[in-house]
Amino acid sequence: AQKVTQAQTEISVVEKEDVTLDCVYETRDTTYYLFWYKQPPSGELVFLIRRNSFDEQNEISGRYSWNFQKSTSSFNFTITASQVVDSAVYFCALILHGGATNKLIFGTGTLLAVQP
Amino acid sequence: KAGVTQTPRYLIKTRGQQVTLSCSPISGHRSVSWYQQTPGQGLQFLFEYFSETQRNKGNFPGRFSGRQFSNSRSEMNVSTLELGDSALYLCASSLDGTPQDTQYFGPGTRLTVL
Repeated sequence: AQKVTQAQTEISVVEKEDVTLDCVYETRDTTYYLFWYKQPPSGELVFLIRRNSFDEQNEISGRYSWNFQKSTSSFNFTITASQVVDSAVYFCALILHGGATNKLIFGTGTLLAVQP
Repeated sequence: KAGVTQTPRYLIKTRGQQVTLSCSPISGHRSVSWYQQTPGQGLQFLFEYFSETQRNKGNFPGRFSGRQFSNSRSEMNVSTLELGDSALYLCASSLDGTPQDTQYFGPGTRLTVL
């Protein structure tokens, strides 16, 4: 069965701290896609990154970076020098390539609160 | 390019009524998926439409239905509303609905059933 686990329910940090959000996934498929979305209080899910299973290169985009490790089935997300505007719920998600579907399998989300 | 739009943004209904939610995808996107978000169950896939055909369906009762029009706009309908249908309903669009396509989400419709 496919599953995404975000063990951290809530994280609270003070502005300018670095924070890492964990994501562990389960699948027997060899080809799959991983995503991170941000959900601010307004409710809309904002796309952050997509990674396919064959690309284990880490990625950096400004203050955001992602660490993908197939050996541990993890796709962790780090925010450097956090800001109040980073406060949101962050979701990790998985799509399998082999299935006849583009259904996103979401984790339960991590609520990040950045205090000023 | 305009993003995914959903109307209405908020709805209040009573048990037993029915409701229709609308979603307009990003221009050029042909796939529309619907998700239900509740505190208890999280984000769950409802169904996906592509070229006016339902391609995939999640594990929801038949009271949940949808359709897609020739301009790719989609509607979902929930009949005989129950209290448990209170949720944020999110619509997402993607180019062709393939697994590697990125899905872009709308702001959602928050449905409250009294």
